[in-house]
Amino acid sequence: DVKVTQSSRYLVKRTGEKVFLECVQDMDHENMFWYRQDPGLGLRLIYFSYDVKMKEKGDIPEGYSVSREKKERFSLILESASTNQTSMYLCATSIGQGGNEQFFGPGTRLTVL
Amino acid sequence: GNSVTQMEGPVTLSEEAFLTINCTYTATGYPSLFWYVQYPGEGLQLLLKATKADDKGSNKGFEATYRKETTSFHLEKGSVQVSDSAVYFCALSDLEEGGNQFYFGTGTSLTVIP
Repeated sequence: DVKVTQSSRYLVKRTGEKVFLECVQDMDHENMFWYRQDPGLGLRLIYFSYDVKMKEKGDIPEGYSVSREKKERFSLILESASTNQTSMYLCATSIGQGGNEQFFGPGTRLTVL
Repeated sequence: GNSVTQMEGPVTLSEEAFLTINCTYTATGYPSLFWYVQYPGEGLQLLLKATKADDKGSNKGFEATYRKETTSFHLEKGSVQVSDSAVYFCALSDLEEGGNQFYFGTGTSLTVIP
């Protein structure tokens, strides 16, 4: 079974702090994704990556950056956290191309005070 | 462009009732269609999928048929249980875009009461 783990289930940070959210997968999947989930808005794609050191902007990249130095690890960085970044963050992975299933981690609920 | 529209919730049903959650889509190419389920406190997990027109996906008593003529992929279950209480997301991936990026609906919350 694919396992996708996220570094924290709950995180509380202060405005202006730099925040790192980490996602690790154990199935050698090429593709990794970061979403945020907000009530009434569903899932919105922040960034994704097709390969090591490659990244693509999603629908809402502003205020975020990402890093993928190793195939199994995809980090989401909030350079200067703001209260409007309080949300549930979900990491997902998939293999290859062609509409393959995305596998999700359990999510990190981030609160920015 | 690509988008998914699903019925707004929340939906509350009694145990053993029939469930339908509507989902319609817009796609520029040849989408694969998915239903994901999110149980409280967990990430999303795939419930079922269909990759071409007239395909029926099914799992755990849930079914959905890919209808190209109506651009729909409605989720149905004949008899819901309390354990089906969750949020359900309809999604598509467009093979013309390489199929890696998913487009999700806003989610429909289902509560089943005994």
